[in-house]
Amino acid sequence: EDQVTQSPEALRLQEGESSSLNCSYTVSGLRGLFWYRQDPGKGPEFLFTLYSAGEEKEKERLKATLTKKESFLHITAPKPEDSATYLCAVQAGNDYKLSFGAGTTVTVRA
Amino acid sequence: EAGVTQFPSHSVIEKGQTVTLRCDPISGHDNLYWYRRVMGKEIKFLLHFVKESKQDESGMPNNRFLAERTGGTYSTLKVQPAELEDSGVYFCASSPADNEQFFGPGTRLTVL
Repeated sequence: EDQVTQSPEALRLQEGESSSLNCSYTVSGLRGLFWYRQDPGKGPEFLFTLYSAGEEKEKERLKATLTKKESFLHITAPKPEDSATYLCAVQAGNDYKLSFGAGTTVTVRA
Repeated sequence: EAGVTQFPSHSVIEKGQTVTLRCDPISGHDNLYWYRRVMGKEIKFLLHFVKESKQDESGMPNNRFLAERTGGTYSTLKVQPAELEDSGVYFCASSPADNEQFFGPGTRLTVL
């Protein structure tokens, strides 16, 4: 069974204090690794898809990277509006379904 | 372009009652998925439709859950009879192919 582990569970940052979130995975035949952002009371919002080791994607203050065993989501100079739960999910084998990690809740203080 | 919509946003029912959740995917998306998150746990896959056909039902917990997608458009997820452990947030997602899935806002189900 696919396993996705995210760390830390929670992260409190000062505005402008850069940090990284980790997503480690154990799957048979990775097809894609997905990062989502979820705000309270809302559904997950798509951020990035990574398909192969060495790939990187960027969007505003967020940058996602992928190795053969894990992915990192780097938040550079975060702002309070970056506060959210960040979810990592994998798609493997011939399946379309996503297997999610438990998420990292990021709080950015002004 | 309208996103994935779900109805109702909240539902509170008694144990043993029936509840039907509805999902309208993004127009043109053949793939439709149901997921749920129960308290304190990660989001878990329930099932996957391609148009009106069930492609993968491996995540459906038991035969009290019935999903349909008539005509390959909207989908319904019926829980009958509901049990306490069915409480959680039910998410629907859609995708045009085997790539990124776009999620709806979810339906929060509370079974008393």
